[in-house]
Amino acid sequence: DAKTTQPNSMESNEEEPVHLPCNHSTISGTDYIHWYRQLPSQGPEYVIHGLTSNVNNRMASLAIAEDRKSSTLILHRATLRDAAVYYCIHTNSGNTPLVFGKGTRLSVIA
Amino acid sequence: DTGVSQDPRHKITKRGQNVTFRCDPISEHNRLYWYRQTLGQGPEFLTYFQNEAQLEKSRLLSNRFSAERPKGSFSTLEIQRTEQGDSAMYLCASSRSGTSNEQFFGPGTRLTVL
Repeated sequence: DAKTTQPNSMESNEEEPVHLPCNHSTISGTDYIHWYRQLPSQGPEYVIHGLTSNVNNRMASLAIAEDRKSSTLILHRATLRDAAVYYCIHTNSGNTPLVFGKGTRLSVIA
Repeated sequence: DTGVSQDPRHKITKRGQNVTFRCDPISEHNRLYWYRQTLGQGPEFLTYFQNEAQLEKSRLLSNRFSAERPKGSFSTLEIQRTEQGDSAMYLCASSRSGTSNEQFFGPGTRLTVL
């Protein structure tokens, strides 16, 4: 069973910021929070991960709540190429299989 | 390109036939995973290897499915006596143990069973 809760879909205008929320209330103290995205007809693509502190990389930012029971993936300026299904996953560092939910389908409007 | 590659990208077969898929992971990655994805769903775990050892198999992996990773490099996934319910995207991913479990996925093999 998926251990995270995400909205089924979201919509954004091009060039505007997008905040994708995720609830992971069952997360354990040593679990990392990972985000992947899947563009149409492609395999999932790693986006970002974090443990406790907020993280930034060239693709996105990850804001993690203080109690770690929720997180938000932030795309600072959405482009048409960001239209994808975004998956939030919490996983331990033991390289175990990832448990995907249905994710959030992000639509970007020009 | 040094990413994960999968072959073939598409396979159409008749019910009852056997099919085999290949995955080549990122060269320095010792862990290799197989997932299956049906339309509208997230990927579901099938099995994974550390080097040549198969460490875990999902209950989704019926006895018609077998996976190997000889020499700890590429991996094959074979489905015997295919059924229409096997139609799906089969995804391979690899990672390096000791990291934060970032997995890198291939483009997948789309199987259609007629």
